[in-house]
Amino acid sequence: ETGVTQTPRHLVMGMTNKKSLKCEQHLGHNAMYWYKQSAKKPLELMFVYNFKEQTENNSVPSRFSPECPNSSHLFLHLHTLQPEDSALYLCASSQVVAGGGELFFGEGSRLTVL
Amino acid sequence: GESVGLHLPTLSVQEGDNSIINCAYSNSASDYFIWYKQESGKGPQFIIDIRSNMDKRQGQRVTVLLNKTVKHLSLQIAATQPGDSAVYFCAETFQGAQKLVFGQGTRLTINP
Repeated sequence: ETGVTQTPRHLVMGMTNKKSLKCEQHLGHNAMYWYKQSAKKPLELMFVYNFKEQTENNSVPSRFSPECPNSSHLFLHLHTLQPEDSALYLCASSQVVAGGGELFFGEGSRLTVL
Repeated sequence: GESVGLHLPTLSVQEGDNSIINCAYSNSASDYFIWYKQESGKGPQFIIDIRSNMDKRQGQRVTVLLNKTVKHLSLQIAATQPGDSAVYFCAETFQGAQKLVFGQGTRLTINP
C-alpha cells in the first residue's frame, strides 16, 4: 500500500464514451500528478497540481481533462479518446519541499480504447 | 503482468549475485536523481535518491552512483533476491522533483 488509491484499475471504453479516472491520496501531501505509461515510451508527465491549482500541463490534448477538487483527490475526465490513448495512467502524490519530494504512485488505471 | 516497453534493455542475474543497472541522463542541469522499481501490476516504487552534490549513496542492499562528468547514474543491488525482479527506472529533475523525467527502464530478471 502506497497510500495512493486509483479507481478503476481497468477500464475499456469506446471512442465516443465519457469516463473518469479517480485518484485519492491518504498521505496528506500537497501535490498530485497524472502520468501516462505507454508500451513503447517512458513515463510521461501529464498534469501537476499544487494545493489544488494546476501548475503543469505537459501539452496534453484537451480530450483529457483533469480536476482537483481538493488536495486529496484528483480526477482525469476522458472523452472522445483515440485508440492510441490506450495506456496505464498513473496517479502520484508528493509533499513539495525545497529541493525535491518523493513521488508516491498508485497502482494505475489500465485504459483500453476500442 | 504489465508491459512497460517492448524495447526495454534487459538484465538477467543469478539469485544471490550482485546486479548493476545503468542509466544515462540527458540534462546537465539536473540536480536530483531517483531510482524507481516497478513490479508487474503495480505502480513505480521509490528505491533511493541522490542529489548532485553527492557521488554515492547507500541504502539497504542498494547503492546509487552518480557520475556527473559523463551524466551517468547506476543502481547496484547486492545479493539479489527473486523479489528484485522488476523494471527499474531512473529519473532526473532539477529545482525539485515535480517535473521528473523518466528513463525507459531496465527489466531485471532474477534466475533461481
